[in-house]
Amino acid sequence: KAGVTQTPRYLIKTRGQQVTLSCSPISGHRSVSWYQQTPGQGLQFLFEYFSETQRNKGNFPGRFSGRQFSNSRSEMNVSTLELGDSALYLCASSLAGQGGTGELFFGEGSRLTVL
Amino acid sequence: EDQVTQSPEALRLQEGESSSLNCSYTVSGLRGLFWYRQDPGKGPEFLFTLYSAGEEKEKERLKATLTKKESFLHITAPKPEDSATYLCAVPHYNQGGKLIFGQGTELSVKP
Repeated sequence: KAGVTQTPRYLIKTRGQQVTLSCSPISGHRSVSWYQQTPGQGLQFLFEYFSETQRNKGNFPGRFSGRQFSNSRSEMNVSTLELGDSALYLCASSLAGQGGTGELFFGEGSRLTVL
Repeated sequence: EDQVTQSPEALRLQEGESSSLNCSYTVSGLRGLFWYRQDPGKGPEFLFTLYSAGEEKEKERLKATLTKKESFLHITAPKPEDSATYLCAVPHYNQGGKLIFGQGTELSVKP
């Protein structure tokens, strides 16, 4: 069974640019969550999508957005990049969202560096 | 405000030297506490879910326990392959799909 796939794995951008990250969940999983991980702040929740609808949202500015497609694949976009957006962006999928067992399946992440 | 605090930040053990990691939490109505393991360069991997005080879960050399204010991850006779960062998390009190993670404990086990 294939795991959660995130692309690209690494990318370098400059301030002011925008970036789109992609996540393919485990087959059959309908919930996709996104987290930002930095050494200083740890893992912070960005948003969760379920059946193409944003179900929960974290405390990030509007520059951070996402969407989910009918096949459950998800993308997140960060516009007008700032230096502080440099981080590992992790996608996690689950059958119906964390609400049950807490078992989220994480991808290996997309490491974004903003110069 | 929901909060999760882990201690210590880093822990160095010799192979076979048992120890415990702590996760204390402040939430408005606990709806589960979750432990994950994260290896360098990889995403977190789910280990356990605990729901009520007194509950225990075991997996190989790891045992997780839960009280009303904290959880412990006990590591018995660790091996070098247990080296990783261990994270605990709780769901937000009214946004169940949002997990609040602690900062993690970086465990290093030397042979």
